[in-house]
Amino acid sequence: AQKITQTQPGMFVQEKEAVTLDCTYDTSDPSYGLFWYKQPSSGEMIFLIYQGSYDQQNATEGRYSLNFQKARKSANLVISASQLGDSAMYFCAMREPFNGNQFYFGTGTSLTVIP
Amino acid sequence: DAEITQSPRHKITETGRQVTLACHQTWNHNNMFWYRQDLGHGLRLIHYSYGVHDTNKGEVSDGYSVSRSNTEDLPLTLESAASSQTSVYFCASSENSGRASGELFFGEGSRLTVL
Repeated sequence: AQKITQTQPGMFVQEKEAVTLDCTYDTSDPSYGLFWYKQPSSGEMIFLIYQGSYDQQNATEGRYSLNFQKARKSANLVISASQLGDSAMYFCAMREPFNGNQFYFGTGTSLTVIP
Repeated sequence: DAEITQSPRHKITETGRQVTLACHQTWNHNNMFWYRQDLGHGLRLIHYSYGVHDTNKGEVSDGYSVSRSNTEDLPLTLESAASSQTSVYFCASSENSGRASGELFFGEGSRLTVL
């Protein structure tokens, strides 16, 4: 079974609107971390936001927030007030520190912000 | 500032040749990883290391090898390059804290073309 599933290969959003990128995960470990990375067309991987499995509050970093629904095993990224510079690939990832300590990545969502 | 660097950034080689991609990090991280990125597959783990002289196979390790002789470096070797290994390769590192937090730090990527 896939550890991380991103079901939206491509998304479009109007500039200044909010957009939600979906991510579901699969783990039986009680301790895990969830991450989102941005990859612009230049190719580098940029860390955006982190959510721990024991965190009570949803993580926020500026215009990024993570909608963490533990029972549903989802960790959706919400980008508010989209900007043209948000056009990029977005990857969801999970780390299981007590199960090999590896990072598992989804296949990514390509976001295009329309002016 | 600490960083992680990859070289070469771009390489074209011929089928059957041996190729080595270098990865050097100054974060003093114990954990180092090699991923390949292909359209539709996201990032797939090739090999990883949790410390000096430790190496482990990831999900797509066939045709690749790594060695870890010091903390800073994890070179990736393609013993006999194949066209199927044309890809973008990312090296990454993370702290080994036993916690779920602690993101992956990525190199800039190495684009390899096998003709």
